[in-house]
Amino acid sequence: GAVVSQHPSRVICKSGTSVKIECRSLDFQATTMFWYRQFPKQSLMLMATSNEGSKATYEQGVEKDKFLINHASLTLSTLTVTSAHPEDSSFYICSAIGRTPDTQYFGPGTRLTVL
Amino acid sequence: AQSVTQPDIHITVSEGASLELRCNYSYGATPYLFWYVQSPGQGLQLLLKYFSGDTLVQGIKGFEAEFKRSQSSFNLRKPSVHWSDAAEYFCAGVAPGGGNKLTFGTGTQLKVEL
Repeated sequence: GAVVSQHPSRVICKSGTSVKIECRSLDFQATTMFWYRQFPKQSLMLMATSNEGSKATYEQGVEKDKFLINHASLTLSTLTVTSAHPEDSSFYICSAIGRTPDTQYFGPGTRLTVL
Repeated sequence: AQSVTQPDIHITVSEGASLELRCNYSYGATPYLFWYVQSPGQGLQLLLKYFSGDTLVQGIKGFEAEFKRSQSSFNLRKPSVHWSDAAEYFCAGVAPGGGNKLTFGTGTQLKVEL
């Protein structure tokens, strides 16, 4: 139980385009989802907290117009990187809380490469 | 400020040897503590967690961790390491009532020599 999926696992796009990443809780309803960014050989940096049906809460320094988050249902949150640039290339990981309070379960991550 | 520290960036052990990965925390109150493992290019898998109660916590894959309040530590241990344990290990904490925001340590890269 407590499986979280992400799609796509890898994406390569041209500079200036937008990319959408999906995060799904497969066997539980996620009241809260989180989006993280991880640079090579570094720890995870929390980008935003997403609650179903409400606006996401962004961490300081994260551009909300750049990284659009939508948590439309209890099993799906999406992160859209708008007008992507090479510096947005990174590993994006989502997590979800639902069945077990205070415990985050992580998706497998999405590798974004912007050319 | 709340923080989680993993003093060891890299650790190398021989297969079959015992393992201990260190984690120290700094919180105003006792946090909830977690250990996650990340294989290359993968997300994080939860190994174990401590909320309260018994200070020795058993996890998956033969891992355990001991919460020591006096040392502000939550070290991860395994009595006999397997080659497949080679990965990045993250310790993380959440302040109770802190909105579930995890604070991660910087990670420890484990290498297993055959």
